[in-house]
Amino acid sequence: GAVVSQHPSRVICKSGTSVKIECRSLDFQATTMFWYRQFPKKSLMLMATSNEGSKATYEQGVEKDKFLINHASLTLSTLTVTSAHPEDSSFYICSARDPGIGGNTIYFGEGSWLTVV
Amino acid sequence: GESVGLHLPTLSVQEGDNSIINCAYSNSASDYFIWYKQESGKGPQFIIDIRSNMDKRQGQRVTVLLNKTVKHLSLQIAATQPGDSAVYFCAEKGAGNKLTFGGGTRVLVKP
Repeated sequence: GAVVSQHPSRVICKSGTSVKIECRSLDFQATTMFWYRQFPKKSLMLMATSNEGSKATYEQGVEKDKFLINHASLTLSTLTVTSAHPEDSSFYICSARDPGIGGNTIYFGEGSWLTVV
Repeated sequence: GESVGLHLPTLSVQEGDNSIINCAYSNSASDYFIWYKQESGKGPQFIIDIRSNMDKRQGQRVTVLLNKTVKHLSLQIAATQPGDSAVYFCAEKGAGNKLTFGGGTRVLVKP
């Protein structure tokens, strides 16, 4: 079946540096991908919608200059956390919509743990 | 259990019993709903979905019920197994294919 892959699965970075997380759709082309953030024991919060070939759409309260999203191809979206701070430490999850049959299926990646020290 | 407060509600169930997880959604215009299972440290895993023109859908050991009148969704797991221990989220799909997730319910299966 369709798979969405995230890389890296875990990353530790120093405060002030930037870190990039990749989200790839392996079996289908995804014009739309989504980035979520999840704190421990909490639900997933949508950060932004990544649109292939155009600017990402950010949810209210999410800083677009802090969380840079690039959807350069139909199978890859990247999230770059810029000038990272310890409070950015979180579990980041992407999802991708398979536009195939019905167009309703949304697959999630395995998530990326970010720790900022 | 529905999501209230700041922590995940927990449903403890004996192995072999049936589990029922409840979810209240907010948008009466939502037309597609999904249940996800999330194990510790992993991404959400699709379990079952239902469109708003249905009130029940069955899968393997799982059944989703939709009550649009009260905006309520439930997931029933038959013969709960240890591997069913996880956090379960309901999600509703809105405009732009965005998913809005419920607060989640932790299921603990006791042997």
